[in-house]
Amino acid sequence: AQKITQTQPGMFVQEKEAVTLDCTYDTSDPSYGLFWYKQPSSGEMIFLIYQGSYDQQNATEGRYSLNFQKARKSANLVISASQLGDSAMYFCAMRGSTGKLIFGQGTTLQVKP
Amino acid sequence: GAGVSQSPSNKVTEKGKDVELRCDPISGHTALYWYRQSLGQGLEFLIYFQGNSAPDKSGLPSDRFSAERTGGSVSTLTIQRTQQEDSAVYLCASSSRTAVEAFFGQGTRLTVV
Repeated sequence: AQKITQTQPGMFVQEKEAVTLDCTYDTSDPSYGLFWYKQPSSGEMIFLIYQGSYDQQNATEGRYSLNFQKARKSANLVISASQLGDSAMYFCAMRGSTGKLIFGQGTTLQVKP
Repeated sequence: GAGVSQSPSNKVTEKGKDVELRCDPISGHTALYWYRQSLGQGLEFLIYFQGNSAPDKSGLPSDRFSAERTGGSVSTLTIQRTQQEDSAVYLCASSSRTAVEAFFGQGTRLTVV
């Protein structure tokens, strides 16, 4: 069975600092994909970054990077140089070989000015 | 360009009534997902359709919930004999075999009174 765990219900970060949001996963699939989505207070779901299980390098997209540690089954999101607009809920997700996509419970990030 | 469209955007219903929620995926997307999100919570997986394959219904919380996808396109999520605990935002997403991410609709906010 697939499972995604986000253990940080809420996080605070000072503007312009970096922050790491934790995500661990469990799957028996040899091939899978890991995602991070952002959900602002408006409710829309915004795709941020993707990491494939066979990708050798950690994914990066602008200020977002995914710290993928396969042996530890972790896929933490790092946001560099936080901005006020980064305040939102962040979800880690996993898609297994069947295509089923599941999400974690989310982490609420608040960026302080 | 057309994204994922969900209707209605808001629905208020009386306890015990049946409701139908509609999702129009992006044209050509073979995968379609339904999720339920209670206030401030994570995305609870409900059901996943992939092409002509049998859907993965493992997340449906009870037999009051059902979903169908006609012609590999539009999907309808039906909740029979609604209960107050069914109140939530219901999100639909679709993806293609070539794209990495799933694209989300704006959701249907269901309130059972």
